[in-house]
Amino acid sequence: QKEVEQDPGPLSVPEGAIVSLNCTYSNSAFQYFMWYRQYSRKGPELLMYTYSSGNKEDGRFTAQVDKSSKYISLFIRDSQPSDSATYLCAMRATSGTYKYIFGTGTRLKVLA
Amino acid sequence: DSGVTQTPKHLITATGQRVTLRCSPRSGDLSVYWYQQSLDQGLQFLIQYYNGEERAKGNILERFSAQQFPDLHSELNLSSLELGDSALYFCASSPPRSGNEQFFGPGTRLTVL
Repeated sequence: QKEVEQDPGPLSVPEGAIVSLNCTYSNSAFQYFMWYRQYSRKGPELLMYTYSSGNKEDGRFTAQVDKSSKYISLFIRDSQPSDSATYLCAMRATSGTYKYIFGTGTRLKVLA
Repeated sequence: DSGVTQTPKHLITATGQRVTLRCSPRSGDLSVYWYQQSLDQGLQFLIQYYNGEERAKGNILERFSAQQFPDLHSELNLSSLELGDSALYFCASSPPRSGNEQFFGPGTRLTVL
């Protein structure tokens, strides 16, 4: 079993929909959680970064962490065709090193 | 554009060969991270350097090595290449004391024939 699991998709939604992207993990020591967006043939781009449990909002994006369930989510409101990309979650423990474990990514398609 | 540069963009080589991938971090960033991205394994952390010193090691094969030079650019050396080494190799950099903010370069696509 992988330490971080992520549904590969593809997830297709109409423009304007609310998108929910999720990751589950098995290591209870994970404390830092990140979401990256990766367009085809490009490097990942950092979207959101959260520490421990709770919610964090940035524009149309909301990151949610539920450590009791070992489950994290990224919500995208008013989705746009430009949001079509692969979304990667990443996480690490507070071991002092920045050794992130990445999910395999969910491919999202927002249809105009 | 993240400010991280990687060369070359594409590399095609044969099994058994050795290649060197190069990365220049963003201005002011001291940390460099190397990742391998393949279709079946996703993004795998290989190694981190901070100001010239190795800081963390991930799933890096013994055939692979890296270093960070005094001007902070980094090189990833891959030797005795196998078909399974074909992948995208990304470099990322982060500001001092902020390793959670990693900025990725455009990647080098390696194809081993």
